Amino acid sequence: QVQLVQSGAEVKKPGASVKVSCKASGYTFTSYDINWVRQATGQGLEWMGWMNPNSGNTGYAQKFQGRVTMTRNTSISTAYMELSSLRSEDTAVYYCARVPEYSSQLDVWGQGTTVTVSS
Amino acid sequence: EIVLTQSPGTLSLSPGERATLSCRASQSVSSSYLAWYQQKPGQAPRLLIYGASSRATGIPDRFSGSGSGTDFTLTISRLEPEDFAVYYCQQYGSSPPGVTFGQGTRLEIK
Repeated sequence: QVQLVQSGAEVKKPGASVKVSCKASGYTFTSYDINWVRQATGQGLEWMGWMNPNSGNTGYAQKFQGRVTMTRNTSISTAYMELSSLRSEDTAVYYCARVPEYSSQLDVWGQGTTVTVSS
Repeated sequence: EIVLTQSPGTLSLSPGERATLSCRASQSVSSSYLAWYQQKPGQAPRLLIYGASSRATGIPDRFSGSGSGTDFTLTISRLEPEDFAVYYCQQYGSSPPGVTFGQGTRLEIK
């Protein structure tokens, strides 16, 4: 079945970086964009950006430009999201999600990765 | 940037009742790029509706979406116990390019 499986929880200190992985299975990895969305505890959903796994092209929300990098390794069908210069406000659950071509809906989601930023 | 405002913030209803959730955009949104999600505690969001009115795979027909322009609605015809959750609308815009979510509507058991 179609799945996105994310890496495990992370605890980081302020100023550090975190890299979250998202492994796809059950479909052709390069045929769907991967988007990243985060959610702080008790808060709503916040879109971070997208990546086309075929071309490697990316687009980032203005809020995260300069701090976020989205990459992929097509040989293992895995997408990555790296966020740098972490601060306490970055504590959240980070989700990857698949977007069909020529669409904008996020139709399959990973299980989420909790990132805690604390000194 | 397009802002999506959902109302009400919280909706208290009983099983069997009809739920109507609203999503209003600050400027016109293409219906092709309007979606709705359901999220239960501790779970990832689940796609319910895309293209404003198309149900995603496996979504029961008690869920329906409608609307155009700046006003969109998610309707649950007869609430089941498992429908009590938080619902988000989402749009894709081109200026600037990207995705935005509404702040969510919490549907709770009365």
